[in-house]
Amino acid sequence: DTAVSQTPKYLVTQMGNDKSIKCEQNLGHDTMYWYKQDSKKFLKIMFSYNNKELIINETVPNRFSPKSPDKAHLNLHINSLELGDSAVYFCASSQLRGGRASYEQYFGPGTRLTVT
Amino acid sequence: SQQGEEDPQALSIQEGENATMNCSYKTSINNLQWYRQNSGRGLVHLILIRSNEREKHSGRLRVTLDTSKKSSSLLITASRAADTASYFCATDGETSGSRLTFGEGTQLTVNP
Repeated sequence: DTAVSQTPKYLVTQMGNDKSIKCEQNLGHDTMYWYKQDSKKFLKIMFSYNNKELIINETVPNRFSPKSPDKAHLNLHINSLELGDSAVYFCASSQLRGGRASYEQYFGPGTRLTVT
Repeated sequence: SQQGEEDPQALSIQEGENATMNCSYKTSINNLQWYRQNSGRGLVHLILIRSNEREKHSGRLRVTLDTSKKSSSLLITASRAADTASYFCATDGETSGSRLTFGEGTQLTVNP
């Protein structure tokens, strides 16, 4: 069974378009994350939701809007895509303890976004 | 520079040899974790070491933590071709709340 799944796996689109990436976890975790991994493999957190509430919102353009309909899902919508948005986007989940990331995170397989 | 910097950036060894990767960080931490990423895949958690621990083992993995030097090392013994991957350290800082900060990774290649 897939623990953290993302769709689509690949996404090729043109500049200016709007796209969404979906993420679901079946681990019963209360916290979900979106990360961006650039071409040099540097992984940077973008957002985190705990029980559907936004708890981490890094310096990310407001063209990126996460949405968590329930604690098992965290979707990422991107408006007006730019060339620099090309990257691999990872969803992850974990169970917080006392509000701390003291336990492992489980990652999805990633969505490779290419903006042309 | 950022929390969590691995060295070397790339390491190439022969099967059966040991591989050692290092991670340095800047702020006080609650724990440090190591993850593996195979090409084209998501990250997989390997091991977590808490700030009050100095060494931890899991199968062929050995992790050490030196909080006075703000550094950690990951040793993979008797490496296999299947160990070829990128390895990342991630820190849970005392003031970072629920945020994990990842290092830049070490690309390990194990040649058969």
